[in-house]
Amino acid sequence: SAVISQKPSRDICQRGTSLTIQCQVDSQVTMMFWYRQQPGQSLTLIATANQGSEATYESGFVIDKFPISRPNLTFSTLTVSNMSPEDSSIYLCSAWGVNTEAFFGQGTRLTVV
Amino acid sequence: GQQVMQIPQYQHVQEGEDFTTYCNSSTTLSNIQWYKQRPGGHPVFLIQLVKSGEVKKQKRLTFQFGEAKKNSSLHITATQTTDVGTYFCAGGPNAGKSTFGDGTTLTVKP
Repeated sequence: SAVISQKPSRDICQRGTSLTIQCQVDSQVTMMFWYRQQPGQSLTLIATANQGSEATYESGFVIDKFPISRPNLTFSTLTVSNMSPEDSSIYLCSAWGVNTEAFFGQGTRLTVV
Repeated sequence: GQQVMQIPQYQHVQEGEDFTTYCNSSTTLSNIQWYKQRPGGHPVFLIQLVKSGEVKKQKRLTFQFGEAKKNSSLHITATQTTDVGTYFCAGGPNAGKSTFGDGTTLTVKP
């Protein structure tokens, strides 16, 4: 199984600023994804992080707002840009292992004030 | 777009009772996954089903994938207090890129 280290675990940010969230997987994975989850609600897929190329964004999410990098197979970052209070949420990275098993990071609880 | 619906939203059971949550998709799924999320925690992968009509068991948990690959269920036999949490199904046209259901939150009264 894989372990995903996600940081920061939480942050309180001023509106208009940006926050970069990092995810490091301890073993090789095939795919990596970024999700958003409001407390008590379901998960919404933001984008698929593609190694060495531009991420694939879901409807309603754009690169200028949520730039994503994945320079290698085991590391990815998500930046939440020009934040507003509406961006307050839990952000989760996810990865699929070679044995077709999914893993999630511990999440980043973001509060924008 | 694809929609994945899950019922019930909440289920309260007495310890020892059985529990079932159902998942229905508006489109045919190539696969479906089930996750458990404890309060304050992150989703934990339970299983993935890929074959039409597939049934898999993990101790007291039984997972089914419908013949048409548009629905699925998770059944827990003789619930325990450790089963509390929210159970999510997730499915999609491609492995990994999944749409999550709204989840079923299970509470177990000892």
